[in-house]
Amino acid sequence: DGGITQSPKYLFRKEGQNVTLSCEQNLNHDAMYWYRQDPGQGLRLIYYSQIVNDFQKGDIAEGYSVSREKKESFPLTVTSAQKNPTAFYLCASSITVGPGTSSYEQYFGPGTRLTVT
Amino acid sequence: RKEVEQDPGPFNVPEGATVAFNCTYSNSASQSFFWYRQDCRKEPKLLMSVYSSGNEDGRFTAQLNRASQYISLLIRDSKLSDSATYLCVVRMVRQGGKLIFGQGTELSVKP
Repeated sequence: DGGITQSPKYLFRKEGQNVTLSCEQNLNHDAMYWYRQDPGQGLRLIYYSQIVNDFQKGDIAEGYSVSREKKESFPLTVTSAQKNPTAFYLCASSITVGPGTSSYEQYFGPGTRLTVT
Repeated sequence: RKEVEQDPGPFNVPEGATVAFNCTYSNSASQSFFWYRQDCRKEPKLLMSVYSSGNEDGRFTAQLNRASQYISLLIRDSKLSDSATYLCVVRMVRQGGKLIFGQGTELSVKP
């Protein structure tokens, strides 16, 4: 089955530790995205990547880092510099971005709930 | 002002009711428009795209008014399974086609 997988589903960490969230897709999508959702709020963009070995900051990139070494994978590291890391993290992908692609859907993974204490 | 604003919820309606959700967006350069559905503690899933001419998918009708920067979703003959949070989403040309999400409107359909 094609889709996006995120692991783990739940993650608990102590304050001051870096943690890496996994995101893998087998949809052959070029573009991948990381969003964060806090209770009662919409999703906010952390980072995105339109092509392998390239990525761009979103609206709330501070305290996060990413890599895109393979088309299928876009891991997110939540560093100790992120002041409020506890949240629901969602990875998404879409076919590509460019002229004529305005209606392309973004597919979401099941998400990782990170709790930092 | 938020870039995408939705009706505050929750909406509590009986089965069979018709319910309408409203959404406004602030950036006139917004390119594409969608309604996503999010079940409790799950990922968002695309419900339908919204086209300028309006579009319908079964019991669901979406409307877009670019002049007023307004989007709506109408659900007719609501079912218990329609209970979820509905997210109004705008796609931008800039920033890699990122999606901007409203905060969502929760719908609870009661028997």
